[in-house]
Amino acid sequence: DGGITQSPKYLFRKEGQNVTLSCEQNLNHDAMYWYRQDPGQGLRLIYYSQIVNDFQKGDIAEGYSVSREKKESFPLTVTSAQKNPTAFYLCATETTGTGNLPRYFGPGTRLTVT
Amino acid sequence: QKEVEQNSGPLSVPEGAIASLNCTYSDRGSQSFFWYRQYSGKSPELIMFIYSNGDKEDGRFTAQLNKASQYVSLLIRDSQPSDSATYLCAVYAGNNRKLIWGLGTSLAVNP
Repeated sequence: DGGITQSPKYLFRKEGQNVTLSCEQNLNHDAMYWYRQDPGQGLRLIYYSQIVNDFQKGDIAEGYSVSREKKESFPLTVTSAQKNPTAFYLCATETTGTGNLPRYFGPGTRLTVT
Repeated sequence: QKEVEQNSGPLSVPEGAIASLNCTYSDRGSQSFFWYRQYSGKSPELIMFIYSNGDKEDGRFTAQLNKASQYVSLLIRDSQPSDSATYLCAVYAGNNRKLIWGLGTSLAVNP
């Protein structure tokens, strides 16, 4: 059963706490992406990785960190430095890292920080 | 001017009608164009992608690309209530290697 899994579906944290969102894929795709989606705003790119052990900042990387130690996994840590962490977080993959191919999304994690 | 623009809607069509969703983009060097469907509370789901001028059909969906006029459209024939969702347009601009997202058009198909 191929696909992208994100866990948990809903996550609640207190302000000041770091939290790590999981993203796992068994599609054998090279590239992985993290987006956040807020009401009334388009999808915004946080970080992306085209190959293992390499990743680049997207448009809104401040307050976030990632790692890509395995091809299948691309976890996102939301740190206490992120000013407005409450959002819908989406992980996506792409066959290669060229950028011009379709991206496939996981089910998302809805993070609420109070 | 926004890089990728979509009418936010809501676009309301009766069941069985053709729904027409439009997207304009500003970068003439754009190479790849994607349509995603997003149900409320869910993640985006790829519907169509198109690279060349003209039409591309897949079942009830047709994507139309006109690079000279810088727009891409999605037509949904025989619209069903289950098509009610937000449709996101995404454009890959080759010069800056970025995928730019529109804000989406909300579609409501009325039984």
